Amino acid sequence: RKEVEQDPGPFNVPEGATVAFNCTYSNSASQSFFWYRQDCRKEPKLLMSVYSSGNEDGRFTAQLNRASQYISLLIRDSKLSDSATYLCVVIAGGFKTIFGAGTRLFVKA
Amino acid sequence: DAGVIQSPRHEVTEMGQEVTLRCKPISGHNSLFWYRQTMMRGLELLIYFNNNVPIDDSGMPEDRFSAKMPNASFSTLKIQPSEPRDSAVYFCASRTAGTGVSYEQYFGPGTRLTVT
Repeated sequence: RKEVEQDPGPFNVPEGATVAFNCTYSNSASQSFFWYRQDCRKEPKLLMSVYSSGNEDGRFTAQLNRASQYISLLIRDSKLSDSATYLCVVIAGGFKTIFGAGTRLFVKA
Repeated sequence: DAGVIQSPRHEVTEMGQEVTLRCKPISGHNSLFWYRQTMMRGLELLIYFNNNVPIDDSGMPEDRFSAKMPNASFSTLKIQPSEPRDSAVYFCASRTAGTGVSYEQYFGPGTRLTVT
C-alpha cells in the first residue's frame, strides 16, 4: 500500500462546478498536511495547508480527518485557471515528505 | 528573492556519462530536498539535508546517485554512470526548519534530464 494515495483522475468538470479531491495516508504519526498545485511542466507550489479544524481560502476548502487518516480538498465555482494537478502532501517527523501521485483536473468552458 | 535556483534546466547525455545537477536554495533556508518526478512514479523524495547534513537518503535509488551540500547555499546531485531509466525531472526544494515555522517547501524550476 502506498503511503499517500490519491484518485488519479482525471476530473473533467465544467466551469462553475464544485469538485472534491480525496487523499488517504497510512502513517498515523504524520504531523503536517498540505495541498500543492502543479501546472504542466512547472514546479509544485503550495496551495494551502490542512488543519484539523478545516480551513478555507476563497473558493478552496481543505479538511483533515485524523481518525480516518483522510484529507480532502474542495474547489467551488471552478475556473479554467484551476486546471492543474493537485498533490496531497504528508510530512512525518518534521522532514520526511511524501507526495501523493496527484489528481489531474481539467475545467472546461 | 530569486527563489530556488537550479542548473542546468535541461540536460541531454549519453548512457554511462556522469551528470551533475546543481541547486542554490533560498537564502536563510536551512533544509534542502532533492526530488525526482516521472510519469510512472510521480514525485519521489530522494534525499534531504538539514543544516547541510544529510538526514535521510533512503530515497536514493542506487549507489550511482550521490548528493552533497558543502555549504548552506549550494547542493549537488550526481549520477555516475547515468542510465536511460534515470530520465526524469529533478527538483530541488528548500524551506526553513524549526518549531513554529511553516513547513512550506519552495521548489526550483527543475532540471529535465534525458539519458539516451
